[in-house]
Amino acid sequence: QVQLVESGGGVVQPGRSLRLSCTTSGFIFSDYAMHWVRQAPGKGPEWVAVIGYDGKNDNYLDSVKGRFTISRDKSKNTLHLQMNSLRVDDTAVYYCARDKGNYGSGTVMAFWGQGTLVTVSS
Amino acid sequence: EIVMTQSPATLSVSPGESATLSCRASHSISYNLGWYQQKSGQAPRLLIYGASTRATGIPARFSGSGSGTEFTLTISSLQSEDFAVYYCQHYHNWPFGFGQGTKVEIK
Repeated sequence: QVQLVESGGGVVQPGRSLRLSCTTSGFIFSDYAMHWVRQAPGKGPEWVAVIGYDGKNDNYLDSVKGRFTISRDKSKNTLHLQMNSLRVDDTAVYYCARDKGNYGSGTVMAFWGQGTLVTVSS
Repeated sequence: EIVMTQSPATLSVSPGESATLSCRASHSISYNLGWYQQKSGQAPRLLIYGASTRATGIPARFSGSGSGTEFTLTISSLQSEDFAVYYCQHYHNWPFGFGQGTKVEIK
């Protein structure tokens, strides 16, 4: 079965960096686009970034462009999110999610991890 | 950026009744819309994609309709496990976006 397990969350000061990872299993990782979605406490989900199945294309939420970078390691079936210049309003649970369709550049999120909490606070 | 607006914010429904949730896009998104269910402490769960296609394993009491800017999620004969928050999400272009959610609560 499809499994997504996020790691790397924690408490970090504003302006610092954090790298999230998402270890995947149960499907052919290189066949699917992958997303990061975040959810601030008491708020709805907010799409953050997507990377195409082949890693050639990525897209971002405007407020994270230039600060966050999504990447994928085909050899380890792992998705990453490098987060730099973190702000207080980046505080959220960060989910990785697998796209529904294969060989695409991103649509809906069919499978989700359990999330990892990132808290940005001084 | 396309903005998604859901209504109502809260819907009070008795078990066995039906619920109709609305989602409006600020610009036409064709059929590029998904619906998710989220229960407290859990990740969202995909219900519908392509505006009207049920995801794998989703019961037939969940149905989606609409195109362009107006979309509807209908839950017929609500079961106890259906009381949750529902979100719509467009994937017409980047950045993808979610609505603010509709909470379906027990009346």
